Amino acid sequence: GAVVSQHPSRVICKSGTSVKIECRSLDFQATTMFWYRQFPKQSLMLMATSNEGSKATYEQGVEKDKFLINHASLTLSTLTVTSAHPEDSSFYICSARVTGGKETQYFGPGTRLLVL
Amino acid sequence: QKEVEQNSGPLSVPEGAIASLNCTYSDRGSQSFFWYRQYSGKSPELIMSIYSNGDKEDGRFTAQLNKASQYVSLLIRDSQPSDSATYLCAVTHTGGFKTIFGAGTRLFVKA
Repeated sequence: GAVVSQHPSRVICKSGTSVKIECRSLDFQATTMFWYRQFPKQSLMLMATSNEGSKATYEQGVEKDKFLINHASLTLSTLTVTSAHPEDSSFYICSARVTGGKETQYFGPGTRLLVL
Repeated sequence: QKEVEQNSGPLSVPEGAIASLNCTYSDRGSQSFFWYRQYSGKSPELIMSIYSNGDKEDGRFTAQLNKASQYVSLLIRDSQPSDSATYLCAVTHTGGFKTIFGAGTRLFVKA
């Protein structure tokens, strides 16, 4: 149980375009999902907390207009990187917390974004 | 002071030995503690969760929690080369909303 999927697993785009990444909880409901970014050989960095039916909470230094988050249902959150630039190239990972359960987070497999 | 601190390593142990990974945290009211394993290029995978003082064993893994010392550890018995990865300690703050991750300890198990 507690499987989280992400799509796509890998994306290459041109600078200036927007990229949408989907995060789905497959066998449980997740009121809260989290979006992380990880650069090579660095630690996980929390970007934002996504709450179903309400606005996301962004961490300090993360531009909410650049990283749009939509958590429209209890099983789906999306992250859109708008006007992507090469410095946005990174490994984006989502996680989901089981609604009503302990605080355990289950991670998706990640999306590797390369902006040319 | 970082909220969750881990030695970055690398920690190198021979195959079959016990690997000991340590983590300290600053929020005394923290309630939930987790260990994740992350292979290079992959996302983190949950290994253990622990919520009360003492030891919790699951197969070759034992998590140890000491809330008075604000210390949590992970022991890996009979270490295997496949255990070579980065191990992340995670702590959920008082109130249970935000989970803070340590920077991780790289473990290398030599065959």
